[in-house]
Amino acid sequence: GQQLNQSPQSMFIQEGEDVSMNCTSSSIFNTWLWYKQDPGEGPVLLIALYKAGELTSNGRLTAQFGITRKDSFLNISASIPSDVGIYFCAGPPSSGTYKYIFGTGTRLKVLA
Amino acid sequence: NAGVTQTPKFQVLKTGQSMTLQCAQDMNHEYMSWYRQDPGMGLRLIHYSVGAGITDQGEVPNGYNVSRSTTEDFPLRLLSAAPSQTSVYFCASRTGVGANVLTFGAGSRLTVL
Repeated sequence: GQQLNQSPQSMFIQEGEDVSMNCTSSSIFNTWLWYKQDPGEGPVLLIALYKAGELTSNGRLTAQFGITRKDSFLNISASIPSDVGIYFCAGPPSSGTYKYIFGTGTRLKVLA
Repeated sequence: NAGVTQTPKFQVLKTGQSMTLQCAQDMNHEYMSWYRQDPGMGLRLIHYSVGAGITDQGEVPNGYNVSRSTTEDFPLRLLSAAPSQTSVYFCASRTGVGANVLTFGAGSRLTVL
């Protein structure tokens, strides 16, 4: 089945550093969703993007909906220890609103 | 407002046993879905429902059954568990037309021996 290509797969960063991750697809997406998952918990929505080119912020997080509608980017500024977790991109491809597809995740570890 | 509630949190089964994972939401969401999460695989859609009485298959439906008799509940049934079904299962819901954001439950970790 189709999956979103998410990179990097994992990263170690120092506290205070900025983080960038991206998600790409071979299909066009109507919506891009970014989730964070803490250990033992379900994914929690960080940012939702609805229009090509859209740039949306949520505190230290900023996400962008790619112009081609086939990619999206998430940036975290000035990382802190509680940013540790797995970040997923997701969305319903334009070809089917009900069958959401998820990226394989970016595992973030922050070194204090 | 509890959101999406999944039970049980943990379950161990023997091969061939059956069980039901429960999912309930109190947000009057029309759309409900089940995912499984395996290491390195992300979340994969098993089944989904767009309303009471309506269900459809996702990417990995084999070995799982669902039904949707009420808006609130969407149980996932394993009729004859297999070790390949060892995974973490998540239920997610959303409102109907015009809203694409999924709300997830906390997950159910299933081990099949």
